[in-house]
Amino acid sequence: EDQVTQSPEALRLQEGESSSLNCSYTVSGLRGLFWYRQDPGKGPEFLFTLYSAGEEKEKERLKATLTKKESFLHITAPKPEDSATYLCAVQAGANSKLTFGKGITLSVRP
Amino acid sequence: GAGVSQTPSNKVTEKGKYVELRCDPISGHTALYWYRQSLGQGPEFLIYFQGTGAADDSGLPNDRFFAVRPEGSVSTLKIQRTERGDSAVYLCASSRPGETQYFGPGTRLLVL
Repeated sequence: EDQVTQSPEALRLQEGESSSLNCSYTVSGLRGLFWYRQDPGKGPEFLFTLYSAGEEKEKERLKATLTKKESFLHITAPKPEDSATYLCAVQAGANSKLTFGKGITLSVRP
Repeated sequence: GAGVSQTPSNKVTEKGKYVELRCDPISGHTALYWYRQSLGQGPEFLIYFQGTGAADDSGLPNDRFFAVRPEGSVSTLKIQRTERGDSAVYLCASSRPGETQYFGPGTRLLVL
């Protein structure tokens, strides 16, 4: 069974204080690892897809990396508008469904 | 362009009642997914359609849950004899085959 574990559950940062969010996964035949952002009361918003170990993708203050066991979402010099829940999900084997972690709630104080 | 839309945005019902939740996918997306998200949890897969047929319904929790997509576009998730434990946000996503899933805003279901 595919498993995704995200840590920490919650993270509070000061504006400008860089940090990383972790996503550990156990799957049989990874096809893709996905990062989504979710604001309160809204649906998940797509950020990145990573397909193979060593791959990196960047968007503004966010950078996602992938190894064979985990993915990191690095946030550089965060701003209050980066406050949200960040969800990690995997797609594996012949399945089209996504298996999600519980999410990491990020709060950035001005 | 227009994203995934879901109606209603909120639904309050009484235990034992029947509810229908609607999803309108992005135009041209043949794959459609339903997920359920409980408070403090990540979305949990329910069912996946490719075109009109359910390609994977392994996530439906029991036979009170049913979904249809008769013309390969709009989908309806149907819940019979609702229970308080069914209260959650029901999310719909759509994609081109094998590509990124894009989510709608969700329907917040509360069963009293």
